Amino acid sequence: DVKVTQSSRYLVKRTGEKVFLECVQDMDHENMFWYRQDPGLGLRLIYFSYDVKMKEKGDIPEGYSVSREKKERFSLILESASTNQTSMYLCASSLLGARGYTFGSGTRLTVV
Amino acid sequence: DAKTTQPNSMESNEEEPVHLPCNHSTISGTDYIHWYRQLPSQGPEYVIHGLTSNVNNRMASLAIAEDRKSSTLILHRATLRDAAVYYCIQENTPLVFGKGTRLSVIA
Repeated sequence: DVKVTQSSRYLVKRTGEKVFLECVQDMDHENMFWYRQDPGLGLRLIYFSYDVKMKEKGDIPEGYSVSREKKERFSLILESASTNQTSMYLCASSLLGARGYTFGSGTRLTVV
Repeated sequence: DAKTTQPNSMESNEEEPVHLPCNHSTISGTDYIHWYRQLPSQGPEYVIHGLTSNVNNRMASLAIAEDRKSSTLILHRATLRDAAVYYCIQENTPLVFGKGTRLSVIA
């Protein structure tokens, strides 16, 4: 069964910490995505990547960066965590365009 | 911005068919319509997609209007496990999710 695995299900970090959220897919997908999901706001796109070492800003990239050194791994980095980054973070991958996204189970991050 | 319009919520009785509507009046001739659903405490999962004609798979059916400005996701017999938020998405890369329709299934 194909999978997108997010390293942590729950995470608690302190304000100002540098936070790494890891995402690994085993489907040899080209495309990978990071979304955050908040009540009443739905899923919002943070960053995405269509190839190794390639990255594109989504709708809300401020306060985040990403790294894609290998095809299967896409990391989301919170340079200096703030309380307004408390959210559910969802990683996804896809082979072609908009079809057949596979999502991970999410990481619920709390910044205190 | 999401380019589709869906009702905020719907309710269905268990084992009844459910028709989830979606309007996408600005769709172009080559854009597919995609449906995803998100079960509680999980990431979204792919349900179905289509272009012009009706589509069926093991999860659901997708009926697309002749003018392609609307579509309907059909769950033939709703179960309690179908309670989820259903997203209708006009093809875009990357996917842009709207608020979706929260489906409640009553036993």
